[in-house]
Amino acid sequence: EPEVTQTPSHQVTQMGQEVILRCVPISNHLYFYWYRQILGQKVEFLVSFYNNEISEKSEIFDDQFSVERPDGSNFTLKIRSTKLEDSAMYFCASRTSGSSYNEQFFGPGTRLTVL
Amino acid sequence: DQQVKQNSPSLSVQEGRISILNCDYTNSMFDYFLWYKKYPAEGPTFLISISSIKDKNEDGRFTVFLNKSAKHLSLHIVPSQPGDSAVYFCAASDTGANNLFFGTGTRLTVIP
Repeated sequence: EPEVTQTPSHQVTQMGQEVILRCVPISNHLYFYWYRQILGQKVEFLVSFYNNEISEKSEIFDDQFSVERPDGSNFTLKIRSTKLEDSAMYFCASRTSGSSYNEQFFGPGTRLTVL
Repeated sequence: DQQVKQNSPSLSVQEGRISILNCDYTNSMFDYFLWYKKYPAEGPTFLISISSIKDKNEDGRFTVFLNKSAKHLSLHIVPSQPGDSAVYFCAASDTGANNLFFGTGTRLTVIP
């Protein structure tokens, strides 16, 4: 069964450093998402991406964040200068097109720890 | 921003009995609702969904009920199995938006 994959599973970084989180969505999916979950809190939407551009973003997704689809398979989330409060689980999700329904399929997540 | 609420952080049920997980929402624009199941160190796994044009959707042991007037939905698991032990998230969206709004989750423990 096709699945969303994410690398790395755990990323430790120093405050102020740049990190890139990688995702490989399901191959025939065209909508891509990043969510995050701070420990003990709910899963929060960050950004959605379709047709090589951001379609929606939340207030969390400020200028420190960017997304890219550098090739036909990868979808990345970059945090330019990490802060302590960026420590969270980051989930990538994807869904197929052509449906008015929003069943998104999630990857296993990357745990980001900012020291 | 508490558009989707799960007021019970945890629930314990005996194996074989029914598990009922509840979810409330405030945004009347939501028209599609989903339940996800999450194990530790894994991403949310899609379980079942329901459109606002329906009031019930069933898939095997899982049934989701939607009460639009009360802005309430519930997930019923019958019979509950130990493997169902996980955190269950309710999520909602409207067809005009891309993103899902999640509740805070309910940790279900099914006792053998």
